[in-house]
Amino acid sequence: AQKITQTQPGMFVQEKEAVTLDCTYDTSDPSYGLFWYKQPSSGEMIFLIYQGSYDQQNATEGRYSLNFQKARKSANLVISASQLGDSAMYFCAMMGIYNQGGKLIFGQGTELSVKP
Amino acid sequence: GAGVSQTPSNKVTEKGKYVELRCDPISGHTALYWYRQSLGQGPEFLIYFQGTGAADDSGLPNDRFFAVRPEGSVSTLKIQRTERGDSAVYLCASSVQGRAHNEQFFGPGTRLTVL
Repeated sequence: AQKITQTQPGMFVQEKEAVTLDCTYDTSDPSYGLFWYKQPSSGEMIFLIYQGSYDQQNATEGRYSLNFQKARKSANLVISASQLGDSAMYFCAMMGIYNQGGKLIFGQGTELSVKP
Repeated sequence: GAGVSQTPSNKVTEKGKYVELRCDPISGHTALYWYRQSLGQGPEFLIYFQGTGAADDSGLPNDRFFAVRPEGSVSTLKIQRTERGDSAVYLCASSVQGRAHNEQFFGPGTRLTVL
């Protein structure tokens, strides 16, 4: 079975500082993908970043980077230079490619609040 | 281009009634997914279509839930004999193809309230 664990229900960060949102996962699938989505209060799910299990380098997308530690089964999201608009729920998700292909398994989410 | 659209945006119904929720995926996307998000939780997978066929329906909670995608584009999620526990936001997503490292694009969701 696949599982995503996000242990931080809520996080606070000062504007312009960096913040790390934790995500650990468990899967028996030999090939998988890890995703981070942002969900503002308006409700839409916004894709942020993707990391493949065989990618050699950590993924980066603008101010977002994914700290992928395969041996530890962790895929933490780092947001640099936080902005007020970053306040939202953040979900880590995974997709097993061979055994569970297609569906995303989501964690419980972390609510990030950016303070001015 | 247009994103994933879902109708209605809100649906209020009474316990025991039948409801249909519609999803229009991004044009050209062959994979379509339905998820359910309860308050304070992450989305929970329901069903995944590749083309017209359901590739994985393991997330459907029981036989009151059914989904179709007859022409490989629009999909309808059907819920019979609704129960109060069915109240949630139902999210639809589409991707270029399934079973691959493709981003899933989500619609705005349908908020279902069963009284």
